[in-house]
Amino acid sequence: QSILTQPPSASGTPGQRVVISCSGYMSNIGVNPVNWYQVVPGTAPKVLISYNDKRPSGVPDRFSGSKSGTSASLAISGLQAEDEGNYYCASWDDRMSGVVFGGGTNLTVL
Amino acid sequence: VELVESGGGLVERGGSLRLSCAASGFTFGDYGMHWVRLAPGKGPEWVSSISSTSSHTYYSDAVRGRFTVSRDNAEESLELQMNGLRDDDTAVYYCARGGLGAFGVVFPPEHWGQGALVTVSS
Repeated sequence: QSILTQPPSASGTPGQRVVISCSGYMSNIGVNPVNWYQVVPGTAPKVLISYNDKRPSGVPDRFSGSKSGTSASLAISGLQAEDEGNYYCASWDDRMSGVVFGGGTNLTVL
Repeated sequence: VELVESGGGLVERGGSLRLSCAASGFTFGDYGMHWVRLAPGKGPEWVSSISSTSSHTYYSDAVRGRFTVSRDNAEESLELQMNGLRDDDTAVYYCARGGLGAFGVVFPPEHWGQGALVTVSS
């Protein structure tokens, strides 16, 4: 069971806006930055959002991140078929002294 | 930013393997570094982290006592010595850059290598 809690699945139709949540604790999201990743089997995780809400170069502005208290969110607007896949949040946890990942959210584009 | 892992391969249960990660394109010695692994059909799992000056190292419960992380800032390289390998260590291992400064490890992985496959056979 992951320390960071994500919904196991999410879905939307093309063009819709989808929000994936990541719930944590004071020891991680509450005091440390959050990154979001898209994981495609066989490839390295792709960073979509870093430092809570910063979008690396090359990531479409359809992706946005936010953080409030001990929770973070990834929003994907203008959903596209290519957005299907698995999404993970991650943060450093001060109590366990390590990086913690969410359990992942499988996004389906209907 | 470029991170290139090497040293992966097939190893028997109980055996050892040493992974290396060659860094370029940034001032390696200024950043905290991480090792993260992806097992087949599973999500990312944090393995180990090391501060920019090697003063602090961190391990997951799953590998503590068996794996050792180290770095050589002059050579711009990161290493992961893996001993007592078990079946559930089978995964692709990624070297990843954290954040800048003495507390750079508190920043989750931002740049990742292409990964090194480690397969533990019984």
